[in-house]
Amino acid sequence: EIVLTQSPGTLSLSPGERATLSCRASQSVSSSFLAWYQQKPGQAPRLLIYGASSRATGIPDRFGGSGSGTDFTLTISRLEPEDFALYYCQHYGTSWTFGQGTKVEIK
Amino acid sequence: QVQLVQSGAEVKKPGASVKVSCKASGYTLINYGITWVRQAPGQGLEWMGWISAYNGNTSYAQKLQGRLTMTTDTSTSTAYMELRSLRSDDTAVYYCARGGLYCNFGTCYYYSYGLDFWGQGTTVTVSS
Repeated sequence: EIVLTQSPGTLSLSPGERATLSCRASQSVSSSFLAWYQQKPGQAPRLLIYGASSRATGIPDRFGGSGSGTDFTLTISRLEPEDFALYYCQHYGTSWTFGQGTKVEIK
Repeated sequence: QVQLVQSGAEVKKPGASVKVSCKASGYTLINYGITWVRQAPGQGLEWMGWISAYNGNTSYAQKLQGRLTMTTDTSTSTAYMELRSLRSDDTAVYYCARGGLYCNFGTCYYYSYGLDFWGQGTTVTVSS
């Protein structure tokens, strides 16, 4: 079973700053099946990135995904007020799992 | 536009069953899988499984095997998730989402575009 470990658990930043979120897999996974989601309180998750680096429809270009093998990164180039939320990585396809999440909070 | 609309909140006693519906619109249900994800209060996301409306194939999380059944009704474009022998730790918000498989012209593939549309969630509370 693949385990995804996200770090840090909480990221305290100010609007305008750059956020870098990490997702590490316990074994190598296909980057074609690595996604990132954003979730705000009381809302369903929203797909941000699929295939490790492709932005979903309507996602601003300040969100970027990268990585391969066991190490993946979600980068938010300049934090907007609406970006403070929880973020989850996910592996899907042949096996499915979510990371435990990273909270991006206002410093 | 693609929409997934789920049934309303449920309160169940331990040992009972719950069946949550997820009505799809704006696309053809049989072409895409439906995946179910749950989230316990204050916790992260947990994958439960997926179903293909095209051929009825399913894949369930091992910890839920034996208690979980996913079905679809293509005549109403609705997917269902039934969980039996409910326990207090099944208390969660249950989400359906489009994804898992893509099927067309008799062939199915793992859908590489993630879980691209989500229902609004259904709160299931298990309490005596």
